[in-house]
Amino acid sequence: RKEVEQDPGPFNVPEGATVAFNCTYSNSASQSFFWYRQDCRKEPKLLMSVYSSGNEDGRFTAQLNRASQYISLLIRDSKLSDSATYLCVVNAAGNKLTFGGGTRVLVKP
Amino acid sequence: GAVVSQHPSWVICKSGTSVKIECRSLDFQATTMFWYRQFPKQSLMLMATSNEGSKATYEQGVEKDKFLINHASLTLSTLTVTSAHPEDSSFYICSAVRDRGWNTEAFFGQGTRLTVV
Repeated sequence: RKEVEQDPGPFNVPEGATVAFNCTYSNSASQSFFWYRQDCRKEPKLLMSVYSSGNEDGRFTAQLNRASQYISLLIRDSKLSDSATYLCVVNAAGNKLTFGGGTRVLVKP
Repeated sequence: GAVVSQHPSWVICKSGTSVKIECRSLDFQATTMFWYRQFPKQSLMLMATSNEGSKATYEQGVEKDKFLINHASLTLSTLTVTSAHPEDSSFYICSAVRDRGWNTEAFFGQGTRLTVV
């Protein structure tokens, strides 16, 4: 089993719709969690950290479920510019980040 | 602006030659940097952890003699792909973690697209 698993997608989303997807992690000792966004042929960029209580940043909402060992990302009112690959990143220890395979989101007019 | 700078952004080299990639943290000191590799349509895979002033730690399956890492200062780590072959063609990305105690964030370099012909 991979340490961090994501549905690769693609999720085809009509513009303005809501899309949500999860990421599961295997190491119960994982300490911090992030969602990164990666555009084609570019480096990943931090979208948001994921806190235990859940957090929201504009149209983006992240949740953490430690009992079931997954995190989620929800995007409301999808924009064309939200099309990207969303990487789930888990920091188990020592700042060594483990990446999920990424979930590809395609927002269409 | 970028807080981690990686250079070059792309390089084409002949098979058998060596290529050096630099990774610099611009406004913070990074005792540890990480080197990742990403093949097309695949996720980032950690290759090695670069430790300032000591030997790098390599992930299983990564040849340390082929991928030489030097972390001579708190702001610079280099990855040298020695005797490159076409199968080494990939997207290489470095990362440095800024740990401010209350907040930890990983910053990535712009990546280096290596093509070995």
